[in-house]
Amino acid sequence: QVQLVQSGAEVKKPGASVKVSCKASGYTFTSYYMHWVRQAPGQGLEWMGIINPSGGSSTYAQNFQGRVTMTRDTSTGTVYLEMSRLRSEDTAVYYCARDSAQGGTWGSVGYWGQGTLVTVSS
Amino acid sequence: QLVLTQSPSASASLGASVKLTCTLSSGHTNYAIAWHQQQPEKGPRFLMKLNSDGSHNKGVEIPDRFSGSSSGAERYLTISSLQSEDEADYYCQTWSTGIVIFGGGTKLTVL
Repeated sequence: QVQLVQSGAEVKKPGASVKVSCKASGYTFTSYYMHWVRQAPGQGLEWMGIINPSGGSSTYAQNFQGRVTMTRDTSTGTVYLEMSRLRSEDTAVYYCARDSAQGGTWGSVGYWGQGTLVTVSS
Repeated sequence: QLVLTQSPSASASLGASVKLTCTLSSGHTNYAIAWHQQQPEKGPRFLMKLNSDGSHNKGVEIPDRFSGSSSGAERYLTISSLQSEDEADYYCQTWSTGIVIFGGGTKLTVL
Protein backbone atom coordinates (compact mmCIF):
# COMPACT_ATOMS: atom_id res chain seq x y z
CA GLN A 1 0.00 0.00 0.00
CA VAL A 2 1.06 3.58 -0.62
CA GLN A 3 2.82 5.14 2.36
CA LEU A 4 4.28 8.61 2.75
CA VAL A 5 6.32 8.99 5.93
CA GLN A 6 7.48 12.47 6.84
CA SER A 7 10.26 13.66 9.14
CA GLY A 8 9.61 14.90 12.64
CA ALA A 9 8.61 18.26 14.03
CA GLU A 10 10.99 21.20 13.76
CA VAL A 11 11.45 24.43 15.73
CA LYS A 12 13.29 27.20 13.94
CA LYS A 13 14.15 30.83 14.59
CA PRO A 14 13.04 33.58 12.21
CA GLY A 15 15.41 33.89 9.27
CA ALA A 16 16.53 30.27 9.44
CA SER A 17 15.88 27.48 6.95
CA VAL A 18 14.14 24.15 7.34
CA LYS A 19 14.23 20.94 5.32
CA VAL A 20 11.38 18.43 5.57
CA SER A 21 11.58 14.94 4.11
CA CYS A 22 8.92 12.58 2.81
CA LYS A 23 9.80 8.94 2.18
CA ALA A 24 7.50 7.15 -0.24
CA SER A 25 6.86 3.43 -0.51
CA GLY A 26 4.34 0.99 -1.94
CA TYR A 27 4.50 2.22 -5.53
CA THR A 28 6.95 3.19 -8.28
CA PHE A 29 8.44 6.41 -6.93
CA THR A 30 9.22 7.97 -10.30
CA SER A 31 5.76 7.39 -11.76
CA TYR A 32 3.79 9.94 -9.72
CA TYR A 33 4.25 13.64 -9.05
CA MET A 34 4.46 14.79 -5.42
CA HIS A 35 2.75 17.91 -4.05
CA TRP A 36 3.61 19.92 -0.95
CA VAL A 37 0.71 21.53 0.93
CA ARG A 38 0.74 23.45 4.20
CA GLN A 39 -1.85 24.29 6.82
CA ALA A 40 -1.38 27.11 9.32
CA PRO A 41 -3.03 26.68 12.75
CA GLY A 42 -6.81 26.87 12.39
CA GLN A 43 -6.57 27.63 8.68
CA GLY A 44 -7.25 25.85 5.41
CA LEU A 45 -4.97 24.05 2.98
CA GLU A 46 -2.45 25.99 0.89
CA TRP A 47 -0.69 24.48 -2.11
CA MET A 48 3.04 25.18 -2.23
CA GLY A 49 4.15 23.38 -5.35
CA ILE A 50 4.90 20.08 -7.03
CA ILE A 51 7.91 18.01 -8.04
CA ASN A 52 8.32 15.41 -10.74
CA PRO A 53 10.33 12.64 -9.04
CA SER A 54 11.34 11.26 -12.41
CA GLY A 55 13.21 14.26 -13.84
CA GLY A 56 13.39 16.39 -10.70
CA SER A 57 11.67 19.43 -12.20
CA SER A 58 9.44 21.53 -9.93
CA THR A 59 6.66 24.09 -10.17
CA TYR A 60 6.16 26.45 -7.25
CA ALA A 61 3.13 28.47 -6.22
CA GLN A 62 3.65 32.18 -6.70
CA ASN A 63 3.57 32.85 -2.95
CA PHE A 64 6.61 30.64 -2.41
CA GLN A 65 8.79 31.30 -5.44
CA GLY A 66 12.31 32.22 -4.43
CA ARG A 67 11.97 30.84 -0.93
CA VAL A 68 11.15 27.17 -1.49
CA THR A 69 13.10 24.37 -3.14
CA MET A 70 11.77 20.88 -3.79
CA THR A 71 14.20 18.05 -4.50
CA ARG A 72 14.19 14.28 -4.62
CA ASP A 73 16.48 11.32 -4.12
CA THR A 74 15.46 8.46 -6.37
CA SER A 75 17.83 6.03 -4.64
CA THR A 76 15.82 6.26 -1.40
CA GLY A 77 12.40 7.25 -2.77
CA THR A 78 12.42 10.48 -0.79
CA VAL A 79 11.31 13.99 -1.65
CA TYR A 80 12.41 17.09 0.24
CA LEU A 81 10.97 20.52 0.88
CA GLU A 82 13.40 23.25 1.88
CA MET A 83 12.16 26.67 2.90
CA SER A 84 14.45 29.60 3.66
CA ARG A 85 14.10 32.98 5.39
CA LEU A 86 11.47 31.60 7.74
CA ARG A 87 9.07 33.96 9.50
CA SER A 88 6.47 33.41 12.19
CA GLU A 89 3.70 33.19 9.58
CA ASP A 90 5.35 30.03 8.23
CA THR A 91 4.38 28.16 11.38
CA ALA A 92 2.23 25.36 9.97
CA VAL A 93 1.87 21.66 9.35
CA TYR A 94 3.54 20.74 6.07
CA TYR A 95 2.20 17.78 4.09
CA CYS A 96 3.60 15.86 1.17
CA ALA A 97 0.85 14.43 -1.00
CA ARG A 98 1.16 12.08 -3.93
CA ASP A 99 -0.77 12.79 -7.08
CA SER A 100 -3.33 10.27 -8.30
CA ALA A 101 -2.41 10.37 -12.00
CA GLN A 102 0.31 8.10 -13.33
CA GLY A 103 2.72 9.33 -15.95
CA GLY A 104 3.27 12.82 -17.24
CA THR A 105 0.15 14.54 -15.88
CA TRP A 106 -0.84 15.79 -12.43
CA GLY A 107 -3.77 17.35 -10.65
CA SER A 108 -5.70 15.47 -8.01
CA VAL A 109 -3.97 14.68 -4.73
CA GLY A 110 -4.54 10.98 -4.05
CA TYR A 111 -2.53 10.19 -0.90
CA TRP A 112 -1.36 12.33 2.02
CA GLY A 113 1.61 12.10 4.33
CA GLN A 114 1.06 12.40 8.08
CA GLY A 115 2.32 15.98 8.22
CA THR A 116 5.30 17.75 9.80
CA LEU A 117 4.80 20.62 12.22
CA VAL A 118 7.25 23.46 11.67
CA THR A 119 7.23 26.12 14.38
CA VAL A 120 8.99 29.41 13.74
CA SER A 121 9.60 31.30 16.95
CA SER A 122 12.28 33.47 18.48
CA GLN B 1 -9.22 33.45 -12.01
CA LEU B 2 -9.66 29.89 -10.83
CA VAL B 3 -11.49 29.89 -7.49
CA LEU B 4 -13.38 27.28 -5.48
CA THR B 5 -16.14 28.45 -3.14
CA GLN B 6 -17.44 26.40 -0.20
CA SER B 7 -19.86 27.25 2.57
CA PRO B 8 -17.95 27.57 5.86
CA SER B 9 -20.24 25.28 7.81
CA ALA B 10 -22.96 22.65 7.52
CA SER B 11 -24.79 20.43 9.96
CA ALA B 12 -26.98 17.35 9.83
CA SER B 13 -28.30 14.74 12.23
CA LEU B 14 -26.81 11.36 12.97
CA GLY B 15 -28.12 8.84 10.43
CA ALA B 16 -29.32 11.50 8.00
CA SER B 17 -27.78 12.61 4.71
CA VAL B 18 -25.96 15.82 3.85
CA LYS B 19 -24.89 17.35 0.55
CA LEU B 20 -21.86 19.64 0.53
CA THR B 21 -21.25 22.02 -2.36
CA CYS B 22 -18.12 23.29 -4.07
CA THR B 23 -18.59 25.95 -6.75
CA LEU B 24 -16.14 26.57 -9.56
CA SER B 25 -15.52 30.11 -10.77
CA SER B 26 -16.87 31.39 -14.07
CA GLY B 27 -14.99 30.09 -17.07
CA HIS B 28 -13.89 26.96 -15.26
CA THR B 29 -17.19 25.16 -14.95
CA ASN B 30 -16.01 22.01 -16.74
CA TYR B 31 -13.13 21.33 -14.37
CA ALA B 32 -12.76 18.17 -12.36
CA ILE B 33 -12.18 18.45 -8.62
CA ALA B 34 -11.13 16.24 -5.73
CA TRP B 35 -12.77 16.00 -2.30
CA HIS B 36 -10.70 15.56 0.86
CA GLN B 37 -11.77 14.94 4.45
CA GLN B 38 -9.89 16.16 7.51
CA GLN B 39 -11.09 14.81 10.85
CA PRO B 40 -10.21 16.80 13.98
CA GLU B 41 -6.52 16.75 14.81
CA LYS B 42 -5.73 14.52 11.82
CA GLY B 43 -4.24 14.99 8.38
CA PRO B 44 -6.38 15.15 5.26
CA ARG B 45 -7.64 12.03 3.50
CA PHE B 46 -8.49 11.79 -0.19
CA LEU B 47 -12.13 10.86 -0.74
CA MET B 48 -12.66 11.02 -4.49
CA LYS B 49 -11.92 12.66 -7.80
CA LEU B 50 -15.12 14.07 -9.32
CA ASN B 51 -15.50 14.89 -13.00
CA SER B 52 -17.82 17.44 -14.59
CA ASP B 53 -20.12 14.68 -15.84
CA GLY B 54 -20.56 13.36 -12.29
CA SER B 55 -18.39 10.30 -12.71
CA HIS B 56 -16.05 9.79 -9.80
CA ASN B 57 -13.21 7.60 -8.60
CA LYS B 58 -13.02 7.03 -4.86
CA GLY B 59 -9.95 6.55 -2.75
CA VAL B 60 -8.91 3.37 -1.01
CA GLU B 61 -11.44 2.08 1.54
CA ILE B 62 -13.79 5.04 1.20
CA PRO B 63 -17.25 3.79 2.23
CA ASP B 64 -20.15 3.63 -0.19
CA ARG B 65 -21.89 6.25 1.98
CA PHE B 66 -19.73 8.86 0.24
CA SER B 67 -20.74 9.80 -3.29
CA GLY B 68 -20.20 12.66 -5.70
CA SER B 69 -22.24 14.42 -8.36
CA SER B 70 -21.98 17.49 -10.61
CA SER B 71 -24.26 20.11 -12.10
CA GLY B 72 -22.84 23.00 -14.11
CA ALA B 73 -20.30 24.78 -11.93
CA GLU B 74 -21.36 22.91 -8.81
CA ARG B 75 -19.60 19.85 -7.46
CA TYR B 76 -21.31 17.94 -4.69
CA LEU B 77 -20.28 15.53 -1.98
CA THR B 78 -23.15 13.56 -0.49
CA ILE B 79 -22.70 11.64 2.73
CA SER B 80 -25.52 9.30 3.65
CA SER B 81 -26.24 7.52 6.94
CA LEU B 82 -24.15 10.08 8.79
CA GLN B 83 -21.92 8.76 11.54
CA SER B 84 -20.17 10.63 14.31
CA GLU B 85 -16.78 10.12 12.63
CA ASP B 86 -18.02 12.05 9.59
CA GLU B 87 -17.76 15.24 11.65
CA ALA B 88 -14.81 16.85 9.91
CA ASP B 89 -13.63 19.57 7.57
CA TYR B 90 -14.20 18.87 3.89
CA TYR B 91 -12.06 20.51 1.23
CA CYS B 92 -12.46 20.56 -2.50
CA GLN B 93 -9.40 20.90 -4.73
CA THR B 94 -8.88 21.60 -8.40
CA TRP B 95 -6.01 22.28 -10.75
CA SER B 96 -4.96 23.96 -13.95
CA THR B 97 -1.66 24.44 -15.76
CA GLY B 98 0.94 25.11 -13.10
CA ILE B 99 -1.44 25.61 -10.21
CA VAL B 100 -3.51 23.78 -7.63
CA ILE B 101 -6.33 25.46 -5.72
CA PHE B 102 -8.15 24.44 -2.55
CA GLY B 103 -11.53 25.68 -1.45
CA GLY B 104 -11.81 27.26 1.97
CA GLY B 105 -13.36 24.12 3.45
CA THR B 106 -16.72 23.25 5.00
CA LYS B 107 -16.90 22.28 8.65
CA LEU B 108 -19.52 19.55 9.00
CA THR B 109 -21.16 19.09 12.39
CA VAL B 110 -23.06 15.87 13.07
CA LEU B 111 -25.86 16.61 15.51
